[in-house]
Amino acid sequence: DTAVSQTPKYLVTQMGNDKSIKCEQNLGHDTMYWYKQDSKKFLKIMFSYNNKELIINETVPNRFSPKSPDKAHLNLHINSLELGDSAVYFCASSQDKTARRNEKLFFGSGTQLSVL
Amino acid sequence: DAKTTQPNSMESNEEEPVHLPCNHSTISGTDYIHWYRQLPSQGPEYVIHGLTSNVNNRMASLAIAEDRKSSTLILHRATLRDAAVYYCILYAYSGAGSYQLTFGKGTKLSVIP
Repeated sequence: DTAVSQTPKYLVTQMGNDKSIKCEQNLGHDTMYWYKQDSKKFLKIMFSYNNKELIINETVPNRFSPKSPDKAHLNLHINSLELGDSAVYFCASSQDKTARRNEKLFFGSGTQLSVL
Repeated sequence: DAKTTQPNSMESNEEEPVHLPCNHSTISGTDYIHWYRQLPSQGPEYVIHGLTSNVNNRMASLAIAEDRKSSTLILHRATLRDAAVYYCILYAYSGAGSYQLTFGKGTKLSVIP
């Protein structure tokens, strides 16, 4: 069983569209994250949720809205897609709150978003 | 932001040991040193972490300098499957009572058959 799974793996869409990426973890973890990896391969945290509560919200356009229906799911909805949103988006989870500095993160395999 | 410095790339022959260095001169006393790796077309994968003492696990060893300003990830026998980008990260306080992993550029390790 895949520990952290995201769908879809590839997403190709036109500028201006609205799209969602889904993430689920079956590890029983309390904290989930979204990371963005741009074309230069830099991985940057976008959001962190602990037990459905927003913990970290980096400087991300408000077109990006995370939604956590329960602690096993953290979906990413993106409105009015722009060319610069093209990137690989990774979902991750960890057992407890990020206040524990020896936490291990478990990452999904990524969603390649291409905005045309 | 807590920062780390790593070589952009390294090469190793298959079945030889690999020492991947990392400098983190601005580390604070409570920052953990984490290593992750990212294989091609995959998400990052946890490798090892430590605070002050050297650490070993089934994947690698982590040697931490006495002053904690540098560390070295050691792969004892490189295999082709170890070809990846290796990230040295300080798990540091990010404010509002939380800590986060901030990835740098990493070291791209190539393994030569």
